[in-house]
Amino acid sequence: NAGVMQNPRHLVRRRGQEARLRCSPMKGHSHVYWYRQLPEEGLKFMVYLQKENIIDESGMPKERFSAEFPKEGPSILRIQQVVRGDSAAYFCASSPGPNTGELFFGEGSRLTVL
Amino acid sequence: ILNVEQSPQSLHVQEGDSTNFTCSFPSSNFYALHWYRWETAKSPEALFVMTLNGDEKKKGRISATLNTKEGYSYLYIKGSQPEDSATYLCAPASGSARQLTFGSGTQLTVLP
Repeated sequence: NAGVMQNPRHLVRRRGQEARLRCSPMKGHSHVYWYRQLPEEGLKFMVYLQKENIIDESGMPKERFSAEFPKEGPSILRIQQVVRGDSAAYFCASSPGPNTGELFFGEGSRLTVL
Repeated sequence: ILNVEQSPQSLHVQEGDSTNFTCSFPSSNFYALHWYRWETAKSPEALFVMTLNGDEKKKGRISATLNTKEGYSYLYIKGSQPEDSATYLCAPASGSARQLTFGSGTQLTVLP
């Protein structure tokens, strides 16, 4: 049973480009969470999605960031017009349902903006 | 935004020593408290999910206690081993969607 898969593991973008990070949850999990770890900081909640629904996006920056979790396929975190401050590790986690206990994390996608 | 504090920030112990860390969190609107273990270059892995005041959980040499009334949890490691070296994160679940707010973690290094 594969765990949470994130890709790419490493992504380099120039300022102004777009970054797309993908997350495939564990089999049977329909809830996905995205967290960001800025350099020298802890994990910060960004967004919580269920299939085709955004449940909580209170941690998402108001501009340039969006997330989706379509009926088919992985969840995608999209960052438009990246800036150097977006350089961070982005972690995805999944759970089988809401309020169902532990989250299962992927190994993260590390974005570097030049 | 919840204020979650973990102490100490980092800790070095000798192999065989027992140790403990603290997690403090707001006691209002509490739903659950998670502990995760995060080894370098790997993904965070759940240790415990605790919900009830007075809860105590144990997994091998690692155990945790929870006080929801005063808003703290302790994680204990008995007889530390080098493979216990990792960052230990606590995260209370709160809000309408029960999302986790992570502390900055306690970085444990066990010296052989």
